[in-house]
This record gives sequence, structure tokens and C-alpha cells, in this order.
Amino acid sequence: QQQVKQSPQSLIVQKGGISIINCAYENTAFDYFPWYQQFPGKGPALLIAIRPDVSEKKEGRFTISFNKSAKQFSLHIMDSQPGDSATYFCAALTDNNAGNMLTFGGGTRLMVKP
Amino acid sequence: NAGVTQTPKFQVLKTGQSMTLQCAQDMNHEYMSWYRQDPGMGLRLIHYSVGAGITDQGEVPNGYNVSRSTTEDFPLRLLSAAPSQTSVYFCASSYLPGLAAYEQYFGPGTRLTVT
Repeated sequence: QQQVKQSPQSLIVQKGGISIINCAYENTAFDYFPWYQQFPGKGPALLIAIRPDVSEKKEGRFTISFNKSAKQFSLHIMDSQPGDSATYFCAALTDNNAGNMLTFGGGTRLMVKP
Repeated sequence: NAGVTQTPKFQVLKTGQSMTLQCAQDMNHEYMSWYRQDPGMGLRLIHYSVGAGITDQGEVPNGYNVSRSTTEDFPLRLLSAAPSQTSVYFCASSYLPGLAAYEQYFGPGTRLTVT
């Protein structure tokens, strides 16, 4: 059973539109919430991350919104471009005495049409 | 810096065979980990290490072994390959354990097929 649930599985957006990907989690012990971007044939790469005591973080066209009470967070890509076409993963970090574990969502394949 | 490197890029095994996936990083990172990526499942943690000589199990450790004799290398061993281990395997590293582990640097992956 996935501890981090991500939706939608796939998303098609027109160039210039807003892409929205949502994630929900169960474990309140998660300490950090990163998003990763993966292009075909490559490993994932960190895109943006947020701490649970912050409600929003923006970096360029990418914004994370975080709702701690609802245990949900989302990625918004403004002015989506064809170069943003990739698979996006949300994740949550557990940091405890036993070590650190990143738990990933199932991924969203984004296609931005020109 | 080469970053995180993985070999081989592709591998086909027969059921019951064993092999080692190699992973190395040249960033002097303390934290290293192995994930498998399956469609719709995201990336699932197999094993991780917070430093040389220290390893621990992740979410899906069965059928895999790891060791960490140096800071740079973190090989993943498949003991007796099964078709369920067909997947893409990623190695990752992070500068420090703790909260810094949210930023992990991934290798290019190894695509493994078990027939």
C-alpha cells in the first residue's frame, strides 16, 4: 500500500496552460516533501521541495502548495512548456533514528502540447 | 565530477542467476540508496546506507543484498534472480543523512530483465 498517493497518472496540457499534480499522504511523521522530475531514459532530479511548516514555495514557474491539516500537497506548473514534458514524482522524507527514507508517489506523466 | 554512475545500463538474466549492479559516486556523499522503478509504483526503496559499513533495509529488500565498504561504492546484489525483479534500478546519493536526504542525486539507471 502506497503511503504517498499521487494523481493523476497522466496529464495533457496545452502550451501556456497550468499543470496541476496532487499528492496525499498518511504518515504524519514525514519531515520534508520534495518533487522530482524525470525525463525518459534519465534518473529523477530534484525539482523543488517544501518543509511541512510552510504553506507555499515558489521557484520560477513551479509552485508547491502544502495543506498540513488535509495531509495534501500539490505541484503547479505555470505557463507550461513542451520542455516540461516529463514524469513528475512527489515524495516524502522520513528522518528518524533508524535512518532516512524517501517514499515516492506513483508518478504523473505530463505532456505539454505545442 | 561524474556524479552517480551505474553499470551496466542493460542486463538480461535467466531465473536463478545472480549478479551485481554497480554504483559509484564521486561527490563524497555519506548517504546512498537503491530504488527500483516499476510502472505506476513510483520508486521504491530497496536498501540504503548512511555511511561506510552501515546499511539498512528499505521498503522492498527481499532478494537483494548490499554492502558499503567505501564511501564511493554501493553495489546491489541479486542473489537468485526472479521475473518479479524485472525493473529499472536506480542508485542515488545525498550529501548527508538527516533532512538533507530529501535532495538525492540519481544515477542513469540499470534496466534489468529476468526471463
